[in-house]
Amino acid sequence: GEDVEQSLFLSVREGDSSVINCTYTDSSSTYLYWYKQEPGAGLQLLTYIFSNMDMKQDQRLTVLLNKKDKHLSLRIADTQTGDSAIYFCAERKKGGYNKLIFGAGTRLAVHP
Amino acid sequence: KAGVTQTPRYLIKTRGQQVTLSCSPISGHRSVSWYQQTPGQGLQFLFEYFSETQRNKGNFPGRFSGRQFSNSRSEMNVSTLELGDSALYLCASSLGGSESSYEQYFGPGTRLTVT
Repeated sequence: GEDVEQSLFLSVREGDSSVINCTYTDSSSTYLYWYKQEPGAGLQLLTYIFSNMDMKQDQRLTVLLNKKDKHLSLRIADTQTGDSAIYFCAERKKGGYNKLIFGAGTRLAVHP
Repeated sequence: KAGVTQTPRYLIKTRGQQVTLSCSPISGHRSVSWYQQTPGQGLQFLFEYFSETQRNKGNFPGRFSGRQFSNSRSEMNVSTLELGDSALYLCASSLGGSESSYEQYFGPGTRLTVT
């Protein structure tokens, strides 16, 4: 199947770490992505990971990939109110060119 | 470098009409993909164009079509609009050309409302 699944909502306190989880179904996926969408805006590419990697760190963002379990996570360190948004994970399959299959998105709410 | 631009940003149409949306990719990018975003169905892939050729297509009816010009700008057209076509239409730009062109950047979207 083509389903990418994410939990729908996450609430964290400002300054804490946020962890957003995602599962995908296709082991042929080549790249996995995290995008951020703020109200009324398009999608902002946050980071991506190649399927032969386990981890990628980019400033406050850490992506972990467990290929055996088809599980992807995004950790945001020192979460700020400006991080409040919807976060989408997406997979790109081998042979699919640039077609991305998105999860439903996780709404992150950051409170003081 | 300028980002992906989409015009118009907002559009209101009546059932049965047709609509054309435009997307200008990042300079040097040759691949343009289109997505439909709705509260019920989420983000769904419509099609991808590379070098003026459609190279991938999602599961949408034939009322949805697109094209790409020699300068890589792309348009998508929806004919005989239905209420369910109300959505945010997003385009994404990528270098394209091979499986290694992995970064895709999205425009701000066109919000289409069908009444």
